[in-house]
Amino acid sequence: SQKIEQNSEALNIQEGKTATLTCNYTNYSPAYLQWYRQDPGRGPVFLLLIRENEKEKRKERLKVTFDTTLKQSLFHITASQPADSATYLCALAGSSNTGKLIFGQGTTLQVKP
Amino acid sequence: DGGITQSPKYLFRKEGQNVTLSCEQNLNHDAMYWYRQDPGQGLRLIYYSQIVNDFQKGDIAEGYSVSREKKESFPLTVTSAQKNPTAFYLCASSKSGQEGEQYFGPGTRLTVT
Repeated sequence: SQKIEQNSEALNIQEGKTATLTCNYTNYSPAYLQWYRQDPGRGPVFLLLIRENEKEKRKERLKVTFDTTLKQSLFHITASQPADSATYLCALAGSSNTGKLIFGQGTTLQVKP
Repeated sequence: DGGITQSPKYLFRKEGQNVTLSCEQNLNHDAMYWYRQDPGQGLRLIYYSQIVNDFQKGDIAEGYSVSREKKESFPLTVTSAQKNPTAFYLCASSKSGQEGEQYFGPGTRLTVT
């Protein structure tokens, strides 16, 4: 069955360092992948989308890579700040153009001052 | 001020009662989605709709029902047949059933006792 795995353990890093979050998937060939940020008790907010034919995407301090051979996406936040503390979700979509997404369970990032 | 709204934020019901969660968007989006989120888990798709008067079951549709009579509205009914209804419910919309980002509402936390 299709499976998406994000590190369930919280990631704790020091302010200013680069945070790297991992999203692995199996039995799936996504047309694209999205990353969302979710704060406690709130709805997710879209951050970045990367397509299957793209290796890397950047937006300000954020960088996403997509390796369809390894079936993995990495999400980087450079120069991290305490305000970056949140849960980050990856979501994969198939090629059926329905807009349906399958979400990972999320990784909680804690940036300490 | 465009966005997607859900009401109420907190909802309490007795077991055996049906309850309807509201979701409204003024983003002129064609597609709308309902997800359920349990602690430590990712979002799971309940139902989705790509166009008015049409909707499809997601991965966990049993015990739920929806309607899409208007483009702006996609209410979700949690019926008494849903065995574990207590959860955080999230509604989302996107421009079309393709690769667009999903915009999420603030969520409704339903507690059934």
